Amino acid sequence: AQSVTQLGSHVSVSEGALVLLRCNYSSSVPPYLFWYVQYPNQGLQLLLKYTSAATLVKGINGFEAEFKKSETSFHLTKPSAHMSDAAEYFCAVSHSGGSNYKLTFGKGTLLTVNP
Amino acid sequence: GAVVSQHPSRVICKSGTSVKIECRSLDFQATTMFWYRQFPKQSLMLMATSNEGSKATYEQGVEKDKFLINHASLTLSTLTVTSAHPEDSSFYICSAREYEEAFFGQGTRLTVV
Repeated sequence: AQSVTQLGSHVSVSEGALVLLRCNYSSSVPPYLFWYVQYPNQGLQLLLKYTSAATLVKGINGFEAEFKKSETSFHLTKPSAHMSDAAEYFCAVSHSGGSNYKLTFGKGTLLTVNP
Repeated sequence: GAVVSQHPSRVICKSGTSVKIECRSLDFQATTMFWYRQFPKQSLMLMATSNEGSKATYEQGVEKDKFLINHASLTLSTLTVTSAHPEDSSFYICSAREYEEAFFGQGTRLTVV
C-alpha cells in the first residue's frame, strides 16, 4: 500500500520569500514521486518527478524537490515566490512496477502569495 | 509534453439525464487512462482505470452502472454519468499514461440541477 501526507493544507508566503511545501510518503516498494500544480478549474500540470535517478530533482518554474529516503520525504521548494505561483499543489506517489501506473495523491496544499 | 484533451470543460444537466465526458490523447497512444473525481478543496479520488479494449477497473465504492467507462481506441476514453443526480455534481479529471508519466486533461465541471 502507498500513501502521501502533505503537511499543511494552506501555506502563505510573501512575494520573493522561500516556498516550502512538505510531502511525506509511505510505500512498501521503491516509489516514484511527483509534484503537480493545479490552477482553479483546470487539470493538473506536472512540476517535477523522482524516478530513482538523482535525489535532487529540478522542475519547471524554478521549483525543485529532494528525495530523502531516510526521512521518507519529498518536499517541494522554490527560492523566491512569485505571484503566479499561487495555486493548489499535490504530491503523488506511484510504484515503479505494475502496468497500470496508479497514482495516489496527497490532500493538497493551497499556496497563497502575498504582495 | 504530451497533450490530453478533455471535453466538455463545463456542463450543466437536468437531474435524471446522462452526460458523456470525452478524454483524448492528442499526440500519443494511451493504453491506460484514468478517471478521477475531485470535490471542492479536496484531492483527486481515483474512480476507475480504463484499459483499451477491455472493461474498466473500478475503485471500491464507485458504482459501475452509474459511471460507465468506455475505452474503444488508443486515444479516446469516455465517462458517462447515467441518471445524474445533484450529488454527482463535481469536477471530473482524466489522465493518460505515456511511459512513466501521467498527463491530465483540463477537467470537466459537472453541475446537475
